[in-house]
Amino acid sequence: QVQLVQSGAEVKKPGASVKVSCKASGYTFTGYYMHWVRQAPGQGLEWMGWINPNSGGTNYAQKFQGRVTMTRDTSISTAYMELSRLRSDDTAVYYCARAGATVTIRHNWFDPWGQGTLVTVSS
Amino acid sequence: QSVLTQPPSASGTPGQRVTISCSGSSSNIGSNTVNWYQQLPGTAPKLLIYSNNQRPSGVPDRFSGSKSGTSASLAISGLQSEDEADYYCAAWDDSLNGSWVFGGGTKLTVL
Repeated sequence: QVQLVQSGAEVKKPGASVKVSCKASGYTFTGYYMHWVRQAPGQGLEWMGWINPNSGGTNYAQKFQGRVTMTRDTSISTAYMELSRLRSDDTAVYYCARAGATVTIRHNWFDPWGQGTLVTVSS
Repeated sequence: QSVLTQPPSASGTPGQRVTISCSGSSSNIGSNTVNWYQQLPGTAPKLLIYSNNQRPSGVPDRFSGSKSGTSASLAISGLQSEDEADYYCAAWDDSLNGSWVFGGGTKLTVL
């Protein structure tokens, strides 16, 4: 079955960077875009951007441009999200989520989701 | 402040029918499809409804979605205790370079 397994929880100091991994299995990794979504404690969902695992092309939400880098390693079917210059308000659970289908993005959806990675930013 | 507007809470008793609304604009719901996600306490979100009104396999037909103009709704009939969760609507927004936008979430309580 299609599955996304993320790396474990991280604790970082303000100003540091964090890199979260998302290992895919059960499907052709290069066939579907991968998205990253975060959720601050007690808050809603916030889209961060996507990567096309086939080409490596990316599209980042305006809020994160300049601080986020999404990459992939097709040899191990793994996507990565690196967030730099961390602040306390970056404390959140970070999810990877696969595009649900190979249709155009405006008519797409997220399915499945990874289990989430808690990133805590604290001095 | 979320781009899509949902009521923060909803409630119902077992067996009842409840609806959750999601209001947007011409750049998101008005021109693109709407998806709904269910997030049970302490777990990752799960796809509940896609393309306005389609249910993934395994999702009970008690859950249904609809869209009209710049608004969408999620209906849950025959409410069950295990439906107690947070529900989020989402749509692609064509503004600027484009982005996915979510509602703020609705916490459903089964009384």
